[in-house]
Amino acid sequence: AQKVTQAQTEISVVEKEDVTLDCVYETRDTTYYLFWYKQPPSGELVFLIRRNSFDEQNEISGRYSWNFQKSTSSFNFTITASQVVDSAVYFCALSAPDFNKFYFGSGTKLNVKP
Amino acid sequence: DADVTQTPRNRITKTGKRIMLECSQTKGHDRMYWYRQDPGLGLRLIYYSFDVKDINKGEISDGYSVSRQAQAKFSLSLESAIPNQTALYFCATSDWKGQGSTGELFFGEGSRLTVL
Repeated sequence: AQKVTQAQTEISVVEKEDVTLDCVYETRDTTYYLFWYKQPPSGELVFLIRRNSFDEQNEISGRYSWNFQKSTSSFNFTITASQVVDSAVYFCALSAPDFNKFYFGSGTKLNVKP
Repeated sequence: DADVTQTPRNRITKTGKRIMLECSQTKGHDRMYWYRQDPGLGLRLIYYSFDVKDINKGEISDGYSVSRQAQAKFSLSLESAIPNQTALYFCATSDWKGQGSTGELFFGEGSRLTVL
């Protein structure tokens, strides 16, 4: 069975702090894809990143970085020097064995205070 | 204009009423999905469709039905709405066709349904 766990329900930080959002997944498939989506207060869902199971290389995009570790089945998301605009709910998702279905975690609400 | 459009964006209805949420897309994608979002539960898959003749149940399909009227249109119906169907509903599309596709989901703006 496929499962995504985001154990952090809500995190509050002060602007400019670094913050890491945890994502742990379960799957028996050898080929799978991991995603992060952002849901700002306005409600829309915004795609942030996709990673496939064969590519463990970490990725950095501006203040955002992602750490994919197959050994611990984790795909964590770090925001460096957080800003108020980063306040949102962040969802981690898994698609396996193909892009047929997507399984979402329960989300982590990030509050960045000025 | 949004690539994935949901109507209505907000709806308040009463228990027992029939409700239809509509989704249309201009992205040309074959795959379409309906998700439900509840606080603390994330997004859960209700139904999905890979083409006009293909409809599949998701993890929480009970109490819902869908219709894929065309490649671009995928409607979700609640035949007899109940209060625990109060939620935010999202339609999504995917461009997955094999290598070279991004596989990401493209979401509509959501339809907030309240069942009294």
